[in-house]
Amino acid sequence: EPEVTQTPSHQVTQMGQEVILRCVPISNHLYFYWYRQILGQKVEFLVSFYNNEISEKSEIFDDQFSVERPDGSNFTLKIRSTKLEDSAMYFCASNKLAANEQFFGPGTRLTVL
Amino acid sequence: TQLLEQSPQFLSIQEGENLTVYCNSSSVFSSLQWYRQEPGEGPVLLVTVVTGGEVKKLKRLTFQFGDARKDSSLHITAAQPGDTGLYLCAGDYNQGGKLIFGQGTELSVKP
Repeated sequence: EPEVTQTPSHQVTQMGQEVILRCVPISNHLYFYWYRQILGQKVEFLVSFYNNEISEKSEIFDDQFSVERPDGSNFTLKIRSTKLEDSAMYFCASNKLAANEQFFGPGTRLTVL
Repeated sequence: TQLLEQSPQFLSIQEGENLTVYCNSSSVFSSLQWYRQEPGEGPVLLVTVVTGGEVKKLKRLTFQFGDARKDSSLHITAAQPGDTGLYLCAGDYNQGGKLIFGQGTELSVKP
């Protein structure tokens, strides 16, 4: 069964460093998303991406964040200058637009020291 | 602020008991999804409900969408230890749009 994959599974970085989180959505899906989940808190929406552009972003998704779909398969989230409070699980999701069923990847645990 | 209130937050029951988890909002949703999440993993989609009053069954799990599409419930019959986990509801306001998540219900089923 097709699934969303994410790499790396765990990323440790120093505050102020740039990180790129990678996702391969399900191949025939059209909408792509990033969410994050700080330990013990709700899953929070960051950004959605459709037709090669951002369709919606939350107030969390400030200028430090960017997304890209550099080729036909990968979808990336870049954090330019990480802060301690960026430590969280980051989930990628994709959606074929059939009743808005979003399928999530296994997540990348980002630890900012 | 768009909110989805989930209750209870924690539930500890014995094997064989029945339980219901509730998901409520003051907003009308286009659709509502239920997920199950294991520690350190991504949410796994269980079901999507779209039509007001819709009922879907997945083995011993029954999902219902409220008539006004503002609330939903998950009922588990004869719970088993394998049902232990975090259950999340999430709603969206338009097709392809962001999901708003509830805070989750941590279920523990003791043998």
